[in-house]
Amino acid sequence: GAVVSQHPSWVICKSGTSVKIECRSLDFQATTMFWYRQFPKQSLMLMATSNEGSKATYEQGVEKDKFLINHASLTLSTLTVTSAHPEDSSFYICSASPPGGRETQYFGPGTRLLVL
Amino acid sequence: AQKITQTQPGMFVQEKEAVTLDCTYDTSDPSYGLFWYKQPSSGEMIFLIYQGSYDQQNATEGRYSLNFQKARKSANLVISASQLGDSAMYFCAMRLTGGGNKLTFGTGTQLKVEL
Repeated sequence: GAVVSQHPSWVICKSGTSVKIECRSLDFQATTMFWYRQFPKQSLMLMATSNEGSKATYEQGVEKDKFLINHASLTLSTLTVTSAHPEDSSFYICSASPPGGRETQYFGPGTRLLVL
Repeated sequence: AQKITQTQPGMFVQEKEAVTLDCTYDTSDPSYGLFWYKQPSSGEMIFLIYQGSYDQQNATEGRYSLNFQKARKSANLVISASQLGDSAMYFCAMRLTGGGNKLTFGTGTQLKVEL
């Protein structure tokens, strides 16, 4: 299947700092990528849809000024958690779909964020 | 709005036995896709199997098969010949055609395979 990578896999930061997470589609181009957040023992919740060359579409209740998304190329989307606080500690995971086919979404390995 | 329900928070199965993980869905859209993903403790989401709403036959992928009952709006995952490595969290998800390819996930089922 298609490969999606994420970097970093782990990040620990101090409260108030900003953290950038990268999501890359390695062997296909993705005009759309998705960012999810998952709290322990819970399901994945869609945060936003990242659109190449245009603004991201955020789900209801997600602060767009706090979670900045940039989709600058067909293989890279970034999520920046600005002024992170302990409640932002979570597992962030991205996904992308190869063009055509059955539109299966392939997920990155995820990024665990811990804000102290 | 669409909704996915997984009523089994945890399941146990003995090695080499088959297990069925339940998933029901709710949508008024006639065109949709149903997915199953496996999430081991490492956190990665592994795609297992896909069923389109207009597919005539139930999907199968190796040891995984999807028992698709459209009238009952259920899409249960059957894992045959369970292996210890199958122990993980399993999520059912739905995508609406024309919904921007967004996935809605169920709450998941934690499967543990025992010797």
